[in-house]
Amino acid sequence: QQPVQSPQAVILREGEDAVINCSSSKALYSVHWYRQKHGEAPVFLMILLKGGEQKGHDKISASFNEKKQQSSLYLTASQLSYSGTYFCGTGVGAGSYQLTFGKGTKLSVIP
Amino acid sequence: NAGVTQTPKFQVLKTGQSMTLQCAQDMNHEYMSWYRQDPGMGLRLIHYSVGAGITDQGEVPNGYNVSRSTTEDFPLRLLSAAPSQTSVYFCASSYSRAGGVFTEAFFGQGTRLTVV
Repeated sequence: QQPVQSPQAVILREGEDAVINCSSSKALYSVHWYRQKHGEAPVFLMILLKGGEQKGHDKISASFNEKKQQSSLYLTASQLSYSGTYFCGTGVGAGSYQLTFGKGTKLSVIP
Repeated sequence: NAGVTQTPKFQVLKTGQSMTLQCAQDMNHEYMSWYRQDPGMGLRLIHYSVGAGITDQGEVPNGYNVSRSTTEDFPLRLLSAAPSQTSVYFCASSYSRAGGVFTEAFFGQGTRLTVV
């Protein structure tokens, strides 16, 4: 069962912040975040593991609430290069090699 | 360092034809997988492999076969192409770290397949 991402699409002006949410009905062990630009392959952003870990990379960070089976991706001071579709992928166990991806959130950053 | 290489990049098939999508990685990753991506549907797992000689079905396996004879290669075969298999196909590889959690997936550039 696919995790649910929200919002489906968002338009930002440069410098604005955004939050993308990913919710699952299953108990999660890991959450992956990827960004895909049009016509390209998905590119890895970060992994979060069970334990409420929060990670950051430059101005992009994420959190994982294992009790709520939710993860959120935070983009601060957005840049034009942040435009693309963001996918979360969820894993249900430490030994699970299967990732189930959400349908994606399309982020457009305009000048 | 090529990473994950997929061929061909584009393909048009007639209904009923068969073909093989190639995927090769040079990172010695044990885990490889195939996804299809359709508009508004995200990435859906077709088949995956946790090592040479070991494969398993994902979410949408019908109409596809895979094999893994070497660590490097993981071809995807379409047995009898149907218009519903028109999609963009991505191959990915990754490896597991201590504790069994596998790491980031490295994706190939994709194969855009059209079945007419």
